Amino acid sequence: AQRVTQPEKLLSVFKGAPVELKCNYSYSGSPELFWYVQYSRQRLQLLLRHISRESIKGFTADLNKGETSFHLKKPFAQEEDSAMYYCALSSGGSNYKLTFGKGTLLTVNP
Amino acid sequence: DTGVSQDPRHKITKRGQNVTFRCDPISEHNRLYWYRQTLGQGPEFLTYFQNEAQLEKSRLLSDRFSAERPKGSFSTLEIQRTEQGDSAMYLCASSLAKYEQYFGPGTRLTVT
Repeated sequence: AQRVTQPEKLLSVFKGAPVELKCNYSYSGSPELFWYVQYSRQRLQLLLRHISRESIKGFTADLNKGETSFHLKKPFAQEEDSAMYYCALSSGGSNYKLTFGKGTLLTVNP
Repeated sequence: DTGVSQDPRHKITKRGQNVTFRCDPISEHNRLYWYRQTLGQGPEFLTYFQNEAQLEKSRLLSDRFSAERPKGSFSTLEIQRTEQGDSAMYLCASSLAKYEQYFGPGTRLTVT
């Protein structure tokens, strides 16, 4: 069975500080990992996916298969980064359904 | 706005009543997903369609739940004989094959 674990429900940092949101997964095959973000009163939207290896809004995430992790990082947090962040896994195959973690609420203080 | 839309946005119903939700995906997307999200949890997969065919259903989807996607366009999710445990946010998403899933705003169901 596939599982995604986000150990921190809440994370609070000051503006300009580095931020790291942790994500660990459990899956026996070759998963595809994503980070989704939900800003206040907005819908869930894709932030980044590991296969694209992009940096979106200054965020990066590297898939570490040895540690089964996909942590999200940003060197200098901004107040507008305050949001709920969900790590998600897709097993691929034919349906691409997503398995989500419980989410981490990031607050960036001024 | 050409994104995924859901209707209604909020629904309050009494236990035992039936409810139906609608999802309109992005027009060219052939895949449509339903998820359920309860307080403090991430979204959980319920079911998905490729065009009009329902290809997978989660064990979360009891016999009281049914979903359809006639003609491969909009989809409906019906819950019969609602229970308080059905109270949740119901999310719809659409995509083109393996590409990004675009989510709708959700329908918040409250069963009293």
